[in-house]
Amino acid sequence: GAVVSQHPSRVICKSGTSVKIECRSLDFQATTMFWYRQFPKQSLMLMATSNEGSKATYEQGVEKDKFLINHASLTLSTLTVTSAHPEDSSFYICSAPWQGSSLNEKLFFGSGTQLSVL
Amino acid sequence: SQQGEEDPQALSIQEGENATMNCSYKTSINNLQWYRQNSGRGLVHLILIRSNEREKHSGRLRVTLDTSKKSSSLLITASRAADTASYFCATVVTGANSKLTFGKGITLSVRP
Repeated sequence: GAVVSQHPSRVICKSGTSVKIECRSLDFQATTMFWYRQFPKQSLMLMATSNEGSKATYEQGVEKDKFLINHASLTLSTLTVTSAHPEDSSFYICSAPWQGSSLNEKLFFGSGTQLSVL
Repeated sequence: SQQGEEDPQALSIQEGENATMNCSYKTSINNLQWYRQNSGRGLVHLILIRSNEREKHSGRLRVTLDTSKKSSSLLITASRAADTASYFCATVVTGANSKLTFGKGITLSVRP
């Protein structure tokens, strides 16, 4: 099946620093990728939709200057948490729809990044 | 409020037993999907059922959809310890803004 690779899997950083998370589709092209945030024992909350070659679409309440998204190629999207604070600590997950499916059918997920801001 | 809500929140069964998980939703949908998440990992797509379908099977999985009751169920037959995970239903709401919305998930524990 299709593989989405997400790195790093875990990151610990000091408050005020920026953290970049990468999401790669390894064996298929992804013009669209989704970024989610998940709190312990909670649902996935869609943060933004990353579009190759154009600006990301952010969900209501998500600060675009805080969570910078870049989708420079058909296989790579990055999420940068700028000036991270302890409240940004969370599990971040990316996903991409399979090429042959509609945008919201059968998503392939990365393994997630646990961000801890001290 | 959640579009999809799973029931029960947690389920503990013995290996070999069947596990039934339910999902209710509020508005009309195009399709409903079930995903599995192992602790600290990403989600894995299990099965998709469209609004015009009533039942689908995939291996030990059986999913049903009742659009009149706005509910779906996921049955895992002959459960194994390796089935221990969180299970999420996700819906695509009918309309132009076809985003996938996840429920809070069900924690399934299968005791060996």
